[in-house]
Amino acid sequence: GQQLNQSPQSMFIQEGEDVSMNCTSSSIFNTWLWYKQDPGEGPVLLIALYKAGELTSNGRLTAQFGITRKDSFLNISASIPSDVGIYFCAGLTQTGANNLFFGTGTRLTVIP
Amino acid sequence: GAVVSQHPSRVICKSGTSVKIECRSLDFQATTMFWYRQFPKQSLMLMATSNEGSKATYEQGVEKDKFLINHASLTLSTLTVTSAHPEDSSFYICSASRVGESQPQHFGDGTRLSIL
Repeated sequence: GQQLNQSPQSMFIQEGEDVSMNCTSSSIFNTWLWYKQDPGEGPVLLIALYKAGELTSNGRLTAQFGITRKDSFLNISASIPSDVGIYFCAGLTQTGANNLFFGTGTRLTVIP
Repeated sequence: GAVVSQHPSRVICKSGTSVKIECRSLDFQATTMFWYRQFPKQSLMLMATSNEGSKATYEQGVEKDKFLINHASLTLSTLTVTSAHPEDSSFYICSASRVGESQPQHFGDGTRLSIL
């Protein structure tokens, strides 16, 4: 299957700091999604990107769909303790609800 | 909106038992539901795509006779792990997409399966 590599693998930051993580692939995706997963729960959708170059914000979160369609980044500004969790990127190779490939995840720890 | 419910949230049972997990879309219709498995500290891996009224499509390496999927209606899909063994212990998560336009998948809260 498709491989999506996320970096960094884990992050330890101080409350209030900004965070940046990214996701790269050797394949082209038509849709990029960013999810957050808390322990013992399913992933929750944060941001969906549908167009190359698209920059979308959701509160303190900002994500961009890379021009080459092979990468995406997620920024979190002014981190707070509840931002703790695992962030996954996911991509769809074709328009539609199939073939969602998940990245390797970035584990975020926010130190109060 | 777009709420997906899974039941049960946790199962502990003996080796050899068959376990059924339900996935429901509570406020929308979903022609397609997806079943994922997630081992500790790993990403989600798609097991199968469940289509309402037809057979599920399984990913390579997933045994269809072991992981039985039934998608009886537009709001319910079930995954049955037959004759479960300790190596089947994992976090199973379902997701669903709305009928119609391309929409992101919305995930249930997962089922933690522990086989003793």
